[in-house]
This record gives sequence, structure tokens and C-alpha cells, in this order.
Amino acid sequence: SQQGEEDPQALSIQEGENATMNCSYKTSINNLQWYRQNSGRGLVHLILIRSNEREKHSGRLRVTLDTSKKSSSLLITASRAADTASYFCATVSGQKVTFGIGTKLQVIP
Amino acid sequence: NAGVTQTPKFQVLKTGQSMTLQCAQDMNHEYMSWYRQDPGMGLRLIHYSVGAGITDQGEVPNGYNVSRSTTEDFPLRLLLAAPSQTSVYFCASSQTSDSYEQYFGPGTRLTVT
Repeated sequence: SQQGEEDPQALSIQEGENATMNCSYKTSINNLQWYRQNSGRGLVHLILIRSNEREKHSGRLRVTLDTSKKSSSLLITASRAADTASYFCATVSGQKVTFGIGTKLQVIP
Repeated sequence: NAGVTQTPKFQVLKTGQSMTLQCAQDMNHEYMSWYRQDPGMGLRLIHYSVGAGITDQGEVPNGYNVSRSTTEDFPLRLLLAAPSQTSVYFCASSQTSDSYEQYFGPGTRLTVT
């Protein structure tokens, strides 16, 4: 079974709004990563947060991690049409990297 | 650097045929892995390798074989193709498995009829 589960599965917002995606997982992890996938392409790494970190920023991205609740969130601020893509969380536990089913984000211009 | 390359980009097989999906990376990464992506199911780990000569099973290994004779290459073999193996296959690599980001190839779209 998959480790991470994203919520919501689909999200549609207007350009300029913020987008928040959540990820829940089941077991202890070394770190959690977020990836982006444009239609028909491979995944691209966005940001990594380690199990002893609570929050991390990268440009317009903000990631939080709550290990007590086994959950993470990805916030994209001031969204742009070019942010339209699917976003996946991935948990790293031991030697395995496990992906969730993803959130499909549509940013309407 | 070319990064992670995969061949072929598209493949159609008949049930029962076998084939090898190629994956290569030129970043001297220790960790390589294969995923399949199906609609509504995200990416599922098939096999992974933490270095040359070392492979292990992921979540959905049945029907697939791998080997890692060199650091650069990590081929995925389908032994007896079945329609259930119709999917998009991604190869990925990273410098280590426990912290560094994974670099993905462009994918192979496989259809088994």
C-alpha cells in the first residue's frame, strides 16, 4: 500500500490565489519530499523537509511537517497559470521512496 | 550531463512477449529505482538498487526483473508481458536514498495488447 496520500485529489484556483495541498503518511520517515509533474513528463523535485524540521521555504513554496500527526502540507503562494501540474509527496523510510497519488492543481488565468 | 535517460519512449507489446526498458544516468548516483504510474494510483515502486550489484523489491515487483551490473545502468525486464502491465514507467536516480532528491527520466509509455 502507498505511504503518502494527498488531499485534495484535485484543486482549481484563480491566478494569484494561494494553493494548499496536504499529505498524510503512515509510518516513520527519514524525510518527506514534494515533486511536481507536468502532463506527460517526468517528476521534478521541488523541496525536501527532514523529519526533524517543521517548516521550510523555497521561493513561493512553503512546506510544513508534523511528525506527530504524520502529515505535511505544501503551500504555493501567489499562484500562476504555469503552476498548473500534478503535485506529489514522497516519503523516504529506510531505503524506500514511496509516492502518494498526487493532487492535480489547475490555476485559471 | 544528460541526467536520466530512458528508452524507448513508447512501446507496444503483445501478451506473452518480453522486453527490456533501458535506464541510464550519468551523475554517478548510487540509488536507482523504477516506478510505474497508473491513473488514480500515483507512482508505485517496482524495484530499486542502492548500488552496483545490489537490488531489492519495491511495492509491485511481480512480473519484473532488474539487475545492476554498473553504476550507470538499471534495466527493467518484463518477462511475460500482460495487459495489467500497461502503464507509464519511470526510472529515477539519487545520490543517496535517505536524503537527496530523485531525478526522473522522461518515462516509457508501454501498452500490452
